[in-house]
Amino acid sequence: DAKTTQPNSMESNEEEPVHLPCNHSTISGTDYIHWYRQLPSQGPEYVIHGLTSNVNNRMASLAIAEDRKSSTLILHRATLRDAAVYYCILRDRGSSNTGKLIFGQGTTLQVKP
Amino acid sequence: EPEVTQTPSHQVTQMGQEVILRCVPISNHLYFYWYRQILGQKVEFLVSFYNNEISEKSEIFDDQFSVERPDGSNFTLKIRSTKLEDSAMYFCASAPPRGSEQYFGPGTRLTVT
Repeated sequence: DAKTTQPNSMESNEEEPVHLPCNHSTISGTDYIHWYRQLPSQGPEYVIHGLTSNVNNRMASLAIAEDRKSSTLILHRATLRDAAVYYCILRDRGSSNTGKLIFGQGTTLQVKP
Repeated sequence: EPEVTQTPSHQVTQMGQEVILRCVPISNHLYFYWYRQILGQKVEFLVSFYNNEISEKSEIFDDQFSVERPDGSNFTLKIRSTKLEDSAMYFCASAPPRGSEQYFGPGTRLTVT
């Protein structure tokens, strides 16, 4: 799986949007971009994933650059419960529903009231 | 909403003892995983399991580790002779037949003294 680069930490104010960046300049054409998060003292939690087009779900939006070398996870209105470590992970389409997840250090998001 | 459950939440054991960590995956899922997270470090893949056999294992998953799906609902991780460095949070995860997201349990904290 290709490597991703994320900032170590970010801060946000409650009820404001948050944009969490991820660089993946060596992404291959068959790599999906997955985002997970890990709330304090909990297991990782799936957030969203995409291949080329921007994606939206009830938790977040995923904006993927046209060249796919970077992506941004968007939380539209951060709440205190969104304080977590956010992981950007690439997974090859061939192993997308069977293969392991390779976690990096992720971005620790702090949300201030 | 269905969820992955793990027992016990905390296990304390002495070095050299055997431990069995238990997981109940989501009922219609077919892919199963164990990960671990040493305090303050990244989440690390241990093993994946599909169709009653190991699909992939990491270098961490040596002969001291084994996994089993003894019945239709449980998925277990056994460590035969625990070492101090096995102290970590152990997370079980499962994935559905055609989904690409993994669902994680709350973890078992293993403390080896």
